[in-house]
Amino acid sequence: EPEVTQTPSHQVTQMGQEVILRCVPISNHLYFYWYRQILGQKVEFLVSFYNNEISEKSEIFDDQFSVERPDGSNFTLKIRSTKLEDSAMYFCASRLSYLNTEAFFGQGTRLTVV
Amino acid sequence: GENVEQHPSTLSVQEGDSAVIKCTYSDSASNYFPWYKQELGKRPQLIIDIRSNVGEKKDQRIAVTLNKTAKHFSLHITETQPEDSAVYFCAACSTDSWGKLQFGAGTQVVVTP
Repeated sequence: EPEVTQTPSHQVTQMGQEVILRCVPISNHLYFYWYRQILGQKVEFLVSFYNNEISEKSEIFDDQFSVERPDGSNFTLKIRSTKLEDSAMYFCASRLSYLNTEAFFGQGTRLTVV
Repeated sequence: GENVEQHPSTLSVQEGDSAVIKCTYSDSASNYFPWYKQELGKRPQLIIDIRSNVGEKKDQRIAVTLNKTAKHFSLHITETQPEDSAVYFCAACSTDSWGKLQFGAGTQVVVTP
């Protein structure tokens, strides 16, 4: 069964450093998302991406965040200058089409900012 | 924007009993309500979903009900088993808003043998 895959599974970075989290969505899916989950809290929407552009973003997704689909298969989340409060599990998700509402989640990248 | 409230935050049930988790939502534009199960350290996995044109949906031991007027929906698990132990998240979505999911805070379900 096709899966959304994310790399790395765990990333430790120093405060102020840039990180790039990588995702490979399911190949024929058209809608892509990043969510984050701070330990013990709910999953929060960050950004949605469709047709090579951001379609919606949350208040969390400030100028420090950016997304890119550089090569038609990868979907990346970049955090330019990490803060301690960026420590969380980051989930990528993808969805087939407008009519297919099920979102498939990757296994997550645990980001630890020290 | 959408706000999803979920109760209870923890639920302990004896194996074989039923578990019920309740969610409310605020945005009347929301028309899709999935439920995700998340085991420790793993990805959220869809277990059942319901659209706003349906009041109830059942899949084996799992059922979901939706009351659009009251803006609440519930997950029912019957004949619970130890493998049902996990965190369950409800979510709400308007399919007109790019499929963004707004999640509830989660319910930790513990099924004791």
